Amino acid sequence: DTAVSQTPKYLVTQMGNDKSIKCEQNLGHDTMYWYKQDSKKFLKIMFSYNNKELIINETVPNRFSPKSPDKAHLNLHINSLELGDSAVYFCASSQGLAGGPGTGELFFGEGSRLTVL
Amino acid sequence: GQNIDQPTEMTATEGAIVQINCTYQTSGFNGLFWYQQHAGEAPTFLSYNVLDGLEEKGRFSSFLSRSKGYSYLLLKELQMKDSASYLCAVMDSNYQLIWGAGTKLIIKP
Repeated sequence: DTAVSQTPKYLVTQMGNDKSIKCEQNLGHDTMYWYKQDSKKFLKIMFSYNNKELIINETVPNRFSPKSPDKAHLNLHINSLELGDSAVYFCASSQGLAGGPGTGELFFGEGSRLTVL
Repeated sequence: GQNIDQPTEMTATEGAIVQINCTYQTSGFNGLFWYQQHAGEAPTFLSYNVLDGLEEKGRFSSFLSRSKGYSYLLLKELQMKDSASYLCAVMDSNYQLIWGAGTKLIIKP
């Protein structure tokens, strides 16, 4: 039974299109995140939601819009896709925000590899 | 600015010991994490240090020195399945995780 699941796993699309990635966690966690991992392997936080409320919104183009219908789901919608958006997008969850075993530990989904042609 | 430095790549032999270093400069400190990421897969949690010293967990140990802004991950009795990237991440004063680029560890027979 997958703890953090995201779909689709692979996404290939043309520039200018709009696409969505969905994420669900069944761990009962309060906080969910979207990360982008580019070809240089840096993980960069994009958004974080705590109990459906946006708490972290890094410098990300406003073409990216997260939506959290409930605390178990955090979806990512991307408008007008650009070549530079090609990356692996990871959804993650944690129990609370504070550091510490069982709290700051992140549980990641398998990733969604987006390729923009 | 905030940054995490770790070697890009390391090579070690099966059965041996390897130490992966991480140095950091962040705005505040609320703990340091090590994650393992196999190629094409998601990162998985390995360890967490918030106090100085060594935390041991089976074949893996993690060390922290807050005064030096330094940590290392020690892997003993290396196995081929340990070939992966090892990511160091620090939680800053705002409880945001700052990630290193990862160290790709190659294990040779």
